[in-house]
Amino acid sequence: GAGVSQTPSNKVTEKGKYVELRCDPISGHTALYWYRQSLGQGPEFLIYFQGTGAADDSGLPNDRFFAVRPEGSVSTLKIQRTERGDSAVYLCASSLGFPNEQFFGPGTRLTVL
Amino acid sequence: KQEVTQIPAALSVPEGENLVLNCSFTDSAIYNLQWFRQDPGKGLTSLLLIQSSQREQTSGRLNASLDKSSGRSTLYIAASQPGDSATYLCAVGPYNFNKFYFGSGTKLNVKP
Repeated sequence: GAGVSQTPSNKVTEKGKYVELRCDPISGHTALYWYRQSLGQGPEFLIYFQGTGAADDSGLPNDRFFAVRPEGSVSTLKIQRTERGDSAVYLCASSLGFPNEQFFGPGTRLTVL
Repeated sequence: KQEVTQIPAALSVPEGENLVLNCSFTDSAIYNLQWFRQDPGKGLTSLLLIQSSQREQTSGRLNASLDKSSGRSTLYIAASQPGDSATYLCAVGPYNFNKFYFGSGTKLNVKP
């Protein structure tokens, strides 16, 4: 595709619910990153994929967070039992290998009520 | 752990001024450093990428420099315009980790 796309653009859910956030990277980009950004802060690293495998998931805050990239392209970030503190903008980026120039999607704004 | 700091947190200048944004990092063992701009409610737009072996990169009115030994990078914006108003973020890619560390950004306002 022309750029990184993310769906949905906005997600409102209730505390305790399960959510899935989708990222579609630039075609041919092997590296994919998930970040979380709170208001007034820079993005915080969550997880990095090289191909289908998670090369580094050390940024995931706890075991309620999980991400997959089964075919080495589209990735899904999954959050179980959402909490109000999970509210943030979730950003996805891709690059042509690591650690090359990253290109970001528009983000998904998650609000947990 | 890499710590990235951006100073100032906010900057307001009149149109036409040249300005410098600062980014400092604690671990000089880096792959590269990337500058982004972020408009309100939007994702990040890549501006410049400097590899660890480079000293600077230029694109139009933007010039980014890198001094690894002192742990600093600067983004120079020439002849600022109101359309430059945005938050500017730097991200550092360290050797020892498969991740990038971001600063908190500098919010720039260019007044007409």
